[in-house]
Amino acid sequence: NAGVTQTPKFRVLKTGQSMTLLCAQDMNHEYMYWYRQDPGMGLRLIHYSVGEGTTAKGEVPDGYNVSRLKKQNFLLGLESAAPSQTSVYFCASSPLDARHNEQFFGPGTRLTVL
Amino acid sequence: DQQVKQNSPSLSVQEGRISILNCDYTNSMFDYFLWYKKYPAEGPTFLISISSIKDKNEDGRFTVFLNKSAKHLSLHIVPSQPGDSAVYFCAASVYNAGNMLTFGGGTRLMVKP
Repeated sequence: NAGVTQTPKFRVLKTGQSMTLLCAQDMNHEYMYWYRQDPGMGLRLIHYSVGEGTTAKGEVPDGYNVSRLKKQNFLLGLESAAPSQTSVYFCASSPLDARHNEQFFGPGTRLTVL
Repeated sequence: DQQVKQNSPSLSVQEGRISILNCDYTNSMFDYFLWYKKYPAEGPTFLISISSIKDKNEDGRFTVFLNKSAKHLSLHIVPSQPGDSAVYFCAASVYNAGNMLTFGGGTRLMVKP
């Protein structure tokens, strides 16, 4: 099992460019999440999905869109990148019956917007 | 307004001593709490959890204490080892509500040999 994987690992964008971050999980988990991590702010939820074809807004959704066309994949899009979106992005997944409410995280994508 | 706070950004302890990491929360609806550990260039990994019906949960060198009246939890690591050096995140949730987690800002623990 690869667990949760994220593509790419690093990316540098110019202001106004667009990009898509891909998250894939092979654990057949129902729930998937996108977070951003900024110094001192912990992990803040951007968007999440409770199943294939569903998405919902988290704490900091502005400037991002998501899609979950397949159960195993959760895509995060930036339509017009801004320097404020420079961050480390983490994807996570969780089963319906998580014993500890725990989420399983990918290794992260470090994004820099110039 | 942060619902989960870790007021110490960093903590340094000597190998073999006790590490105590603290976390405070404000939302009374939270009834399940987790600690995650994060190494550089890796994603967070689940460490230990506690339900609000308990005041203590122990797993090897790691013990989490919950004080509901004070809305405070702490993670004790005894004895601390250099491999414990990492960032520790406290997270709070409402059990069985989509496994949604609200994270604190993290505490960087450095264990000196």
